Amino acid sequence: DSGVTQTPKHLITATGQRVTLRCSPRSGDLSVYWYQQSLDQGLQFLIQYYNGEERAKGNILERFSAQQFPDLHSELNLSSLELGDSALYFCASSTWDLPNGNTGELFFGEGSRLTVL
Amino acid sequence: ILNVEQSPQSLHVQEGDSTNFTCSFPSSNFYALHWYRWETAKSPEALFVMTLNGDEKKKGRISATLNTKEGYSYLYIKGSQPEDSATYLCASLTGTASKLTFGTGTRLQVTL
Repeated sequence: DSGVTQTPKHLITATGQRVTLRCSPRSGDLSVYWYQQSLDQGLQFLIQYYNGEERAKGNILERFSAQQFPDLHSELNLSSLELGDSALYFCASSTWDLPNGNTGELFFGEGSRLTVL
Repeated sequence: ILNVEQSPQSLHVQEGDSTNFTCSFPSSNFYALHWYRWETAKSPEALFVMTLNGDEKKKGRISATLNTKEGYSYLYIKGSQPEDSATYLCASLTGTASKLTFGTGTRLQVTL
């Protein structure tokens, strides 16, 4: 058990809908990362937050947004869903924050599997 | 090298064989290189985080080396066991991007 909690584990929805994925980081970790893993692709970095602030952004679509709340949990919002958004979405946490020189390992949640029909 | 690349994509070995995989990454503005082990139906777990050129790390039968000047890292598994079957991911952290970029992984299958 990594200590990172993601909900829901599975989600099936229709095209055009909006969903919210939730992540609670490991106790004490200030950084939260979101990754997308589609079929036959590696982990694609979406976005990182550190202590409530956006730190780094990957190839995140405009239809997607995220935030990190004062209690450090994070939510990833996916809207106007398309078939191609079907994927496994991972959240990871760490104490890592590059500007402060900390490059520690990531602790991954079990992922939220999104299926768009 | 602009992206993180891993080779081979997949590998089949017999129990007891030793094996190694390669991770190539951008060498400029390098901060750290991570290795993760990802078993099917589970989440990735960290094996090593390396930051210094020439770093060598070991955990049981698994070890890794790092060359930051030429931008590569090797992961070695000595005496492979069926429980070593997993996908091994490397990820590079570079200063310009301030993000951890993963390779597509090497899928290892160890058979009896």
